[in-house]
Amino acid sequence: DAKTTQPPSMDCAEGRAANLPCNHSTISGNEYVYWYRQIHSQGPQYIIHGLKNNETNEMASLIITEDRKSSTLILPHATLRDTAVYYCIVRAPANQAGTALIFGKGTTLSVSS
Amino acid sequence: GAVVSQHPSWVICKSGTSVKIECRSLDFQATTMFWYRQFPKQSLMLMATSNEGSKATYEQGVEKDKFLINHASLTLSTLTVTSAHPEDSSFYICSARDHRGETQYFGPGTRLLVL
Repeated sequence: DAKTTQPPSMDCAEGRAANLPCNHSTISGNEYVYWYRQIHSQGPQYIIHGLKNNETNEMASLIITEDRKSSTLILPHATLRDTAVYYCIVRAPANQAGTALIFGKGTTLSVSS
Repeated sequence: GAVVSQHPSWVICKSGTSVKIECRSLDFQATTMFWYRQFPKQSLMLMATSNEGSKATYEQGVEKDKFLINHASLTLSTLTVTSAHPEDSSFYICSARDHRGETQYFGPGTRLLVL
């Protein structure tokens, strides 16, 4: 699976949009981009995933560049409860071998009032 | 989203004893489940991949005789830490993949402390 690069930490003011970048310049054509977050002492929580097109759900938006070498997770109105470690993971389709999610160090997002 | 549960949420045991952790997919069938381990201030590390009805595949460096994994049904996988030692103290997290195979959902984790 392609490796990803994320900033180690980011700060965001409550109520503002949080834009978390991820670089995955070696991504293959069939690999998906996944975002998870882990709040302290809990299991990771699925946020969103995409292949080529931008995606939006009730939690966040995922913007993938046209060349797919980078993406941005957007939390439109960050709250204190969004403070967590955010992981950007690239993964091959499930029908291929070795498709467990492999976690990097992620970005620690701190939302303050 | 799909729900994955783990039991127990935390356990304290004496060195040399065995501990079993259960992972259940509550509202979907999971042909594939995964076990991760997380030490303090570190990221999740994949331990093994478990397919229903077959033997688990362990990651390099993970002792299969120490960490016994059983995936007997489409909704249950168990991890048994045999002859636990203090260095096995960690946060163990299971994950299950839904039938479409696109998304992995994670359990809340089990914190193990071996004295």
